[in-house]
Amino acid sequence: SQTIHQWPATLVQPVGSPLSLECTVEGTSNPNLYWYRQAAGRGLQLLFYSVGIGQISSEVPQNLSASRPQDRQFILSSKKLLLSDSGFYLCAWSPLRGEQYFGPGTRLTVT
Amino acid sequence: GENVGLHLPTLSVQEGDNSIINCAYSNSASDYFIWYKQESGKGPQFIIDIRSNMDKRQGQRVTVLLNKTVKHLSLQIAATQPGDSAVYFCAEGGAGSYQLTFGKGTKLSVIP
Repeated sequence: SQTIHQWPATLVQPVGSPLSLECTVEGTSNPNLYWYRQAAGRGLQLLFYSVGIGQISSEVPQNLSASRPQDRQFILSSKKLLLSDSGFYLCAWSPLRGEQYFGPGTRLTVT
Repeated sequence: GENVGLHLPTLSVQEGDNSIINCAYSNSASDYFIWYKQESGKGPQFIIDIRSNMDKRQGQRVTVLLNKTVKHLSLQIAATQPGDSAVYFCAEGGAGSYQLTFGKGTKLSVIP
């Protein structure tokens, strides 16, 4: 069966510091991968998605970036965090086109 | 600072009763629909999906109904239990798209 991992689970970072969140998927090949942010009481905001290694589509212009160095690895990064980057970051995977399965999430607090 | 979050609709149900959570979708071209459950501090969990060529699908204690005429989706939970307390939201997807469109969610509170 497929599993999706995210780490770290929680992170507290000062404004202006860099960020690296990692997501890995097991048990499937060539998945579509997604990064979402969920602010308190709000819905899911799609940040990036990837349909293959090195292929990244950005949905929202901001100071975040994503990379997919391996088939089942998806990384969310920032060079300098802003206060507004605080939130719950979720990684998800899906087969070709269809339902998405989410990871456990990373709670990021920028102070 | 952070924006003030939207107030989610809340449904309070007595333990043992049935729950019905509703969702209106926007795109008549969507051809599959999904319900997710999200407990506090956790990632959304896939519950059940339905394709547009169906109007009803049943799972374990859950039933999803699709009314394409009025673009309405509902999730019925039978014999609601305290462990069902969570935020539930629907999602719709369309042919040719890698993306899902998510609803805002409904908070289900089960009264023991």
